Amino acid sequence: SYVVTQPPSVSVAPGKTATISCGGSDIGSKTVQWYQQKPGQAPVLVIYYDSDRPSGIPERFSGSNSENTATLTISRAEGGDEADYYCQVWGSSRDYVVFGGGTKLTVL
Amino acid sequence: QVQLVQSGTEVKRPGASVKVSCTAAGYTFTYYGITWVRQAPGQGPEWMGWISPYNGNTNSAETLQDRLTMTTDTSTNTVYMELGSLRSDDTAIYYCARAINWGSRTYFDFWGQGTLVTVSS
Repeated sequence: SYVVTQPPSVSVAPGKTATISCGGSDIGSKTVQWYQQKPGQAPVLVIYYDSDRPSGIPERFSGSNSENTATLTISRAEGGDEADYYCQVWGSSRDYVVFGGGTKLTVL
Repeated sequence: QVQLVQSGTEVKRPGASVKVSCTAAGYTFTYYGITWVRQAPGQGPEWMGWISPYNGNTNSAETLQDRLTMTTDTSTNTVYMELGSLRSDDTAIYYCARAINWGSRTYFDFWGQGTLVTVSS
């Protein structure tokens, strides 16, 4: 089955840039989605198709995907960006949907 | 606006079944699939299954397919998820979400508020 790997935690200073990675074998050939989840809330889609932003998501959120790593970048980080972030891909016709284990972003 | 509203908290004994509903509003119900995702305490999301309200087709995670049943009622714009033979490790928050482009380009753009299911003797 297809596996994607995320770092458990990332820290960033306010106003700086945070990068969260999602690694997988040839993940660059797949489309990657990113979800933000704050405590006690449902996940929210922040990036789809590697780098597209849904309506209402700030331009500070961007994504890229190449070879074996997809990346979520959050520019000018704010305290309100503190959350867990999960990547999601289509595994295969057997795995269907695969989520990463999540990365806890701390802004301090 | 698009909304998915789920049924309330459930507490079940091991071996029992649970049925969670997800009622959609704000879009044409049969145009988009609904997926179910669960999240155990302190864990990441786990994909469970998908159903097409248009024709009732389903796909399920291999680990759950023997216990998972998904149905749809187009008269009430509601999707149901039933999980049987419950165990303590089925304790989780269960989410429904609208699925766009089911297949290699799928993503989930709107989510329900979640339903807590606790399995305990």
